[in-house]
Amino acid sequence: AQSVAQPEDQVNVAEGNPLTVKCTYSVSGNPYLFWYVQYPNRGLQFLLKYITGDNLVKGSYGFEAEFNKSQTSFHLKKPSALVSDSALYFCAVRDTLDQTGANNLFFGTGTRLTVIP
Amino acid sequence: GAVVSQHPSWVICKSGTSVKIECRSLDFQATTMFWYRQFPKQSLMLMATSNEGSKATYEQGVEKDKFLINHASLTLSTLTVTSAHPEDSSFYICSAPWLEGEGEQYFGPGTRLTVT
Repeated sequence: AQSVAQPEDQVNVAEGNPLTVKCTYSVSGNPYLFWYVQYPNRGLQFLLKYITGDNLVKGSYGFEAEFNKSQTSFHLKKPSALVSDSALYFCAVRDTLDQTGANNLFFGTGTRLTVIP
Repeated sequence: GAVVSQHPSWVICKSGTSVKIECRSLDFQATTMFWYRQFPKQSLMLMATSNEGSKATYEQGVEKDKFLINHASLTLSTLTVTSAHPEDSSFYICSAPWLEGEGEQYFGPGTRLTVT
């Protein structure tokens, strides 16, 4: 079974400061890890993914995430936050051992990021 | 990038009536689509996987007779909430997987259903 935890419902950060949105996961096999962002009245948008290779992956809008196998974490980061980054962020995992469904993703509960001007 | 649309974006219906939600892939074909339900401050919960030309696969605990899914073509999947009740009020989201992806999905903007 797979699961994703986002321990923070809300993260506030001042504009220009670095931001981190936390995510931990649990899978039986190897994980495929994803971050999605949801803006008001819009569908979820793909930000970045980790499949294999370098633990630090870079994605859209200057975001990056670091895969840490020992800590089973995949925290989302950005060096300098923008007000326009304010949105709802979801971490998701796909267990490579799960053959029950094509590309099934399991989502965390989401973290609302507010960047304060 | 590919676009997935949903219609309607919001709907209010009376208890006991049925509501149909459409999910369309606008510039690509999708043999598979996913239907999610999102509660306030909660995660997306996968309800079912819609398969073109065959029956949908429902997740455990989801009533297939209540949430009817039809994947009539390679660009359209519909979710019909039958005999809706207030507890069915929620945000329903559909998605389609990237053909060349490893789990990425294109998401529709969602449909807000309110049952009075």
